[in-house]
Amino acid sequence: ELKVEQNPLFLSMQEGKNYTIYCNYSTTSDRLYWYRQDPGKSLESLFVLLSNGAVKQEGRLMASLDTKARLSTLHITAAVHDLSATYFCAVDIWGGTASKLTFGTGTRLQVTL
Amino acid sequence: GAVVSQHPSRVICKSGTSVKIECRSLDFQATTMFWYRQFPKKSLMLMATSNEGSKATYEQGVEKDKFLINHASLTLSTLTVTSAHPEDSSFYICSARDPQRGLGGYTFGSGTRLTVV
Repeated sequence: ELKVEQNPLFLSMQEGKNYTIYCNYSTTSDRLYWYRQDPGKSLESLFVLLSNGAVKQEGRLMASLDTKARLSTLHITAAVHDLSATYFCAVDIWGGTASKLTFGTGTRLQVTL
Repeated sequence: GAVVSQHPSRVICKSGTSVKIECRSLDFQATTMFWYRQFPKKSLMLMATSNEGSKATYEQGVEKDKFLINHASLTLSTLTVTSAHPEDSSFYICSARDPQRGLGGYTFGSGTRLTVV
């Protein structure tokens, strides 16, 4: 059974600080996605990582993928309050009849002023 | 870009009644759609994979007779929660992948907050 674990589960950080969220998964995959979820809302796609060594950046967020280590990171640079949300990684694997996503446990990020 | 429309956004129903949730791909054809359930402050759990023109594939532990999925066309999948009970209260989210985008990602509906009273 595929397991996708994120850490930390909760992160409180001050504005202007840097931090990294880690996503570890237990089976081979070279397709990993990062999503943001605001309270009461659905998911917003942040990054699509499709190969080993992939790195993508958007604003203050940067995601990377190491398929050999089965690890993805989401790095936050100089956090701002607007980044407060829950972040999920999700691993895409073939489920026998179709590819499907398995989500990580989620990291709730709170950026304080 | 690919858009998935989900309705209703919120529904309150009485215990014992059935509720239908619709998921539509607006600008692409989706042969496969996915239904997730999310409890408060928890992650998304895949309930089933909906296949156009065939039976849905349910994840282990999901009651097929409780959560009926129909994918009658390339743009519409429905989830019916039958004989709903308070423990079925949850946030339900559908998603689809636009085959034109290849591995470019999944698009999610806006979610349905179901409250069973």
